[in-house]
Amino acid sequence: ETGVTQTPRHLVMGMTNKKSLKCEQHLGHNAMYWYKQSAKKPLELMFVYNFKEQTENNSVPSRFSPECPNSSHLFLHLHTLQPEDSALYLCASSQETGRQPQHFGDGTRLSIL
Amino acid sequence: DQQVKQNSPSLSVQEGRISILNCDYTNSMFDYFLWYKKYPAEGPTFLISISSIKDKNEDGRFTVFLNKSAKHLSLHIVPSQPGDSAVYFCAVLSGNTGKLIFGQGTTLQVKP
Repeated sequence: ETGVTQTPRHLVMGMTNKKSLKCEQHLGHNAMYWYKQSAKKPLELMFVYNFKEQTENNSVPSRFSPECPNSSHLFLHLHTLQPEDSALYLCASSQETGRQPQHFGDGTRLSIL
Repeated sequence: DQQVKQNSPSLSVQEGRISILNCDYTNSMFDYFLWYKKYPAEGPTFLISISSIKDKNEDGRFTVFLNKSAKHLSLHIVPSQPGDSAVYFCAVLSGNTGKLIFGQGTTLQVKP
């Protein structure tokens, strides 16, 4: 298996639920990212991890909690989300941060009831 | 305020002709630019990039042009093929943390 894999592809949850999004990359990259794409808005960076360390938090509410146990795996833990959090969540990876193209997974479509 | 703008939401081109997608940015300090293509139900796929030390970069049918004085870049696809029909995003690298700032995207339709 190659590339960046995200699971689940679709998720429906209530506002009081706790769920997690998973991302795995098989490219040997050291940097991983979470992006959010809301309807009719550009992709927006949420978090950056470089060598398992968080290097960027783009003012994301604490109801989103990332976790990077190793350079190949990235999680986004979700808790007490709001309807406006319904969006496409995309994971990406790159060899390093900086002038490197980022490779994206196919995303998780999240709907909050 | 959007730092990266793609002012044309859509573009329709005949197969075999040239497609030109445009992107404007606001910060003259940006120095690395990328184009991505996205098909429905898939993640964005990297197409081509350009550093600010260049004004042109070519890869097969895809060429990116950078006009630093105008803070403008464009992606040329020639000849256009029906399989090129997708949403195209330009992005700029902001800082050293890998943060990409994306435009809203332009939907390209290439008609047979």
